[in-house]
Amino acid sequence: ETGVTQSPTHLIKTRGQQVTLRCSSQSGHNTVSWYQQALGQGPQFIFQYYREEENGRGNFPPRFSGLQFPNYSSELNVNALELDDSALYLCASSPPGTGIFNEQFFGPGTRLTVL
Amino acid sequence: AQSVTQLDSQVPVFEEAPVELRCNYSSSVSVYLFWYVQYPNQGLQLLLKYLSGSTLVKGINGFEAEFNKSQTSFHLRKPSVHISDTAEYFCAVSGEDDMRFGAGTRLTVKP
Repeated sequence: ETGVTQSPTHLIKTRGQQVTLRCSSQSGHNTVSWYQQALGQGPQFIFQYYREEENGRGNFPPRFSGLQFPNYSSELNVNALELDDSALYLCASSPPGTGIFNEQFFGPGTRLTVL
Repeated sequence: AQSVTQLDSQVPVFEEAPVELRCNYSSSVSVYLFWYVQYPNQGLQLLLKYLSGSTLVKGINGFEAEFNKSQTSFHLRKPSVHISDTAEYFCAVSGEDDMRFGAGTRLTVKP
């Protein structure tokens, strides 16, 4: 059984650019959540997708947006990148019927550096 | 909204010694509580969780935690640590539509 995978592993962008990060959920999981983890801090909840719709959102501006596809994979898009967007971006998938956050399986993350 | 405070940013301990990583939370509603571990260059792995029932929760790798509602705490314990337990540990609390993590505790196990 394949776990949660994320691509790319590392990414370098410049301020003002746009970026797309990708996540493939674990087989059978229908919910995907995204987190931002700045260096030396705990993860912060960005948003969650269930059945291709946003199902909850943390305190992040609209330039952070996402998509979920019919196969439950997901994308995180960030527009107008700022230096403070430099972080590890984590994706987590959850199986059906387990509650929104009760059973999350995390991917290894994408390290984004904004110069 | 809920919040989490991990009281120690770093905890050094010798191998085979016991360890306790402290976590306090605040919330105006019922919450669920979690401990995750993060090894270098990896994502988070769930150690244990409290959803309801017994306040003593046992997890993987010999870890356990006790939910104390009156003290709003959820401290993580292990009676005897190994070198391989060296990692970052995160306490987290979830409500209906949000999940909040603490800043993390760096556990370093020394030989």
